[in-house]
Amino acid sequence: RKEVEQDPGPFNVPEGATVAFNCTYSNSASQSFFWYRQDCRKEPKLLMSVYSSGNEDGRFTAQLNRASQYISLLIRDSKLSDSATYLCVVLSNFGNEKLTFGTGTRLTIIP
Amino acid sequence: GAGVSQSPSNKVTEKGKDVELRCDPISGHTALYWYRQSLGQGLEFLIYFQGNSAPDKSGLPSDRFSAERTGGSVSTLTIQRTQQEDSAVYLCASRYRDRGPNTEAFFGQGTRLTVV
Repeated sequence: RKEVEQDPGPFNVPEGATVAFNCTYSNSASQSFFWYRQDCRKEPKLLMSVYSSGNEDGRFTAQLNRASQYISLLIRDSKLSDSATYLCVVLSNFGNEKLTFGTGTRLTIIP
Repeated sequence: GAGVSQSPSNKVTEKGKDVELRCDPISGHTALYWYRQSLGQGLEFLIYFQGNSAPDKSGLPSDRFSAERTGGSVSTLTIQRTQQEDSAVYLCASRYRDRGPNTEAFFGQGTRLTVV
């Protein structure tokens, strides 16, 4: 089983729609979680960290469910500029802070 | 510069040759990571350096791959006797480990390696 698993998509979503991605992780001792965004042929960049209580940044909402070992990302009122690959990232337990990336979910927003 | 710098940005090499890829992290960042990304694929972890601790080499795919980080700053990833399957984008990232687990990792723009 992969350490971090995501549905690779692609997700093709009309502009203005709401879309959600899930990600599961295998290491129950994982301590930190992130969503990164990667545009075509570019390096990944942080979209948002994911906190235990859930957190929101504008149109983006991230949730963490430690009991079920998954995190989610919700994008509301999607824009054309949201088209990208979204990477789920997990930081291993303290002492060896290895960052493990999911394979990414590809999102295309359709006009 | 203020960001993570990688060089060269592109490298074409002949099968069997050795290559060195360089990463200059953000000043003061204690953690440095190398990843490999093949076309259309996710990021494959290679190696992680943290301060003076022994690096986590668990992701290196074979003994042809090695990396070092001198003086806690610049890192070099070396691939010996390159093979065509080594062709990929090699990405380096750095972060402040000592500022807590939620600190962001910043990536360089990568080195695109093509083995012909």
